[in-house]
Amino acid sequence: NAGVTQTPKFRILKIGQSMTLQCTQDMNHNYMYWYRQDPGMGLKLIYYSVGAGITDKGEVPNGYNVSRSTTEDFPLRLELAAPSQTSVYFCASSYSPQGQFGATEAFFGQGTRLTVV
Amino acid sequence: AQTVTQSQPEMSVQEAETVTLSCTYDTSENNYYLFWYKQPPSRQMILVIRQEAYKQQNATENRFSVNFQKAAKSFSLKISDSQLGDTAMYFCAFMKPGGAQKLVFGQGTRLTINP
Repeated sequence: NAGVTQTPKFRILKIGQSMTLQCTQDMNHNYMYWYRQDPGMGLKLIYYSVGAGITDKGEVPNGYNVSRSTTEDFPLRLELAAPSQTSVYFCASSYSPQGQFGATEAFFGQGTRLTVV
Repeated sequence: AQTVTQSQPEMSVQEAETVTLSCTYDTSENNYYLFWYKQPPSRQMILVIRQEAYKQQNATENRFSVNFQKAAKSFSLKISDSQLGDTAMYFCAFMKPGGAQKLVFGQGTRLTINP
């Protein structure tokens, strides 16, 4: 069982370049997320999706775009890379809980270390 | 908006000792979940333990236990009989139930277990 798979694991970009971070999950989870982790900081939510065709902004969405055309895939697009986007990016997924006050575990990919120079 | 604060950037203990990591949070919600995640050098995020705010009993998972003080908005993690494999970054996280289950993380504590 692969879980959440992110590619690539490492990438160096030049300022102004574009790239897409890929994320796929094989657990049939309807919720998916992108977080970024800066040195000495916790993870911050960039974008999230509660199902195919539905996406919404998180805490730090500027400079990024997402799409969710299938349940399995949730790519993150950087259009014009900037040094401030140097970070480790995590994709995660979870399934919707039963009941209004339930909660389910989030499963994380292994992260993508991105450096913008 | 919820905030999570971990005031100990780094901690270091000897193998087999007990260590406690601190976490405080701020919320106006009455129902919520709190989590501790472990991030070893491999970068993988691993769920260690979770606590439901409506449960007064503190959660326990083998050598890991929490001290949940709802009124004080405090959620500390105790690791007993620490092992070299416990060396990692530890993140405290908050989740409001329902909706999209978004996690709010603290800054993390880097824990080193020395032989």
